[in-house]
Amino acid sequence: GAGVSQSPSNKVTEKGKDVELRCDPISGHTALYWYRQSLGQGLEFLIYFQGNSAPDKSGLPSDRFSAERTGGSVSTLTIQRTQQEDSAVYLCASSFGAGGGINNEQFFGPGTRLTVL
Amino acid sequence: KQEVTQIPAALSVPEGENLVLNCSFTDSAIYNLQWFRQDPGKGLTSLLLIQSSQREQTSGRLNASLDKSSGRSTLYIAASQPGDSATYLCAVSPLSGGYNKLIFGAGTRLAVHP
Repeated sequence: GAGVSQSPSNKVTEKGKDVELRCDPISGHTALYWYRQSLGQGLEFLIYFQGNSAPDKSGLPSDRFSAERTGGSVSTLTIQRTQQEDSAVYLCASSFGAGGGINNEQFFGPGTRLTVL
Repeated sequence: KQEVTQIPAALSVPEGENLVLNCSFTDSAIYNLQWFRQDPGKGLTSLLLIQSSQREQTSGRLNASLDKSSGRSTLYIAASQPGDSATYLCAVSPLSGGYNKLIFGAGTRLAVHP
């Protein structure tokens, strides 16, 4: 079946512009995660959605970052007033469920490479 | 705060060798541990997930073990092939502070040459 898909695959933007990154999780997966991979920081958790519960936003680095998940499926990560330090690969993952165990196995998309000039 | 360390950072071996990649974590209170591979410019591919109650998992030429009490996991790759060349990442799902987030190590960059 289809895996996690993300768009765009690459995004180049100018400092100060807003960007939106999209994630389509695996069909039937209730949990969705965003991570960021940068050279200096490795892979960092950003935000997690599970069903209709309030998202865990504890990893968002600043209030310029926000995410939403509509209809329990597609998610959009928005970065406002982009800065050069936002340049990174943004990875989305989904899992069948949550709460530990095999249902928590996370499957990742190919990522969006964001470059802020 | 949970920290994950992977040793070695890089490894270059001839084809056919058996390999051991190491992962250690500072807090043994975890839900599970997951091993991934990442090819250059690509996303992560899940290799194995070990639940906290398990000691090991196997998939083909891969075997991952977990010693939760000592905060260690190893990924064993048998009869390595050039196609195994990638970065291998270890990640834990912590019991506290949000168990659904994964905390990653920096990875081991593996090169298998013919």
